[in-house]
Amino acid sequence: GAVVSQHPSRVICKSGTSVKIECRSLDFQATTMFWYRQFPKQSLMLMATSNEGSKATYEQGVEKDKFLINHASLTLSTLTVTSAHPEDSSFYICSGTIGGPKETQYFGPGTRLLVL
Amino acid sequence: GQQLNQSPQSMFIQEGEDVSMNCTSSSIFNTWLWYKQDPGEGPVLLIALYKAGELTSNGRLTAQFGITRKDSFLNISASIPSDVGIYFCATLGNQGGKLIFGQGTELSVKP
Repeated sequence: GAVVSQHPSRVICKSGTSVKIECRSLDFQATTMFWYRQFPKQSLMLMATSNEGSKATYEQGVEKDKFLINHASLTLSTLTVTSAHPEDSSFYICSGTIGGPKETQYFGPGTRLLVL
Repeated sequence: GQQLNQSPQSMFIQEGEDVSMNCTSSSIFNTWLWYKQDPGEGPVLLIALYKAGELTSNGRLTAQFGITRKDSFLNISASIPSDVGIYFCATLGNQGGKLIFGQGTELSVKP
């Protein structure tokens, strides 16, 4: 149980275009979803926290107009990288949590973004 | 801020050997989590610890929640090639369910 999927798994785009990444909780309702980015050989860096039906909370230094997050339902959150540039190339990972006192996060398989 | 110090950063071992890695912090936490990340994949939860002193096993993996609540270790016994990957410790900070991650331990297993 507690499976999270992401789509697409990898995407290559031209500089200046926008890219949408979907994160779905397949067998549970995720009260909260998190978006991370990860550079090679580094740990996961939290970008934002999103709760269904409300605005996402962004970490310090993450541009909310650059990384648009929509959490339309308890099973779907999307991250749109707007006007992507080569420095946005990274591995983007989402996670969902059922909530409750243990608040275990279940991670998606990640999306590799390459901006040319 | 709250930080986790994970060590070692990398390990190169022979198949069959046991492995030990740990995570420490200057802060007290109520949860310790261990994740494994395969190349090009998201992290997968291996073991979750919720009580100081708790010792939990998952197959060849064993993890313990330190009695001081400031540390945790993960042991892997009789390593096999598919143990290769990056292992992260993590804990829940005090800000609404956000995870704090260690820097990761990259494990390489030589057949």
